[in-house]
Amino acid sequence: NAGVMQNPRHLVRRRGQEARLRCSPMKGHSHVYWYRQLPEEGLKFMVYLQKENIIDESGMPKERFSAEFPKEGPSILRIQQVVRGDSAAYFCASSRYGSNQPQHFGDGTRLSIL
Amino acid sequence: GESVGLHLPTLSVQEGDNSIINCAYSNSASDYFIWYKQESGKGPQFIIDIRSNMDKRQGQRVTVLLNKTVKHLSLQIAATQPGDSAVYFCAENNMNRDDKIIFGKGTRLHILP
Repeated sequence: NAGVMQNPRHLVRRRGQEARLRCSPMKGHSHVYWYRQLPEEGLKFMVYLQKENIIDESGMPKERFSAEFPKEGPSILRIQQVVRGDSAAYFCASSRYGSNQPQHFGDGTRLSIL
Repeated sequence: GESVGLHLPTLSVQEGDNSIINCAYSNSASDYFIWYKQESGKGPQFIIDIRSNMDKRQGQRVTVLLNKTVKHLSLQIAATQPGDSAVYFCAENNMNRDDKIIFGKGTRLHILP
């Protein structure tokens, strides 16, 4: 009974490189959410996706960040031309029916920018 | 800014005692509330939720209380154990808008031996 799977668990990039974070939702879940967390802080919503659709991207920076959830395969959070300020833990969550249900989280990807 | 906040960043409780973690929210349109537990290096783990048509809900060793009049939410943990050490987040959502969940900043629960 696999939960939400995120990989990699740790990712190190140099400034200007691209970071790709992957998330496989729980079986039967078609709603995926991405959050960002800084140390000693809560989670900040970034984007909400259903299969092949972005439902709400109000928390995503307008530039350099993009997300997708294709018909087949995991959801991808992509950060282009990373900067030091992108260093954070990025969490993915999934739910079966939408935001009015508990979201189940993966263990995150810790992104470090050198 | 965030509409969910917490009164105490750190709470220390004797092992075996009951813990009460508080949360204030400001969005009166929120109608669904969740408590999560986050251990070091892990993702948030769902503990318990409550909808606005209820004022109390109980789980295994945990109880959530909702006071809509003063927009206050609390999590009570009975007979606190060392394994309860974690950061606890409350979160809110407006079910009718299918909106994002908004997280509070978190309270760190520290268990004293």
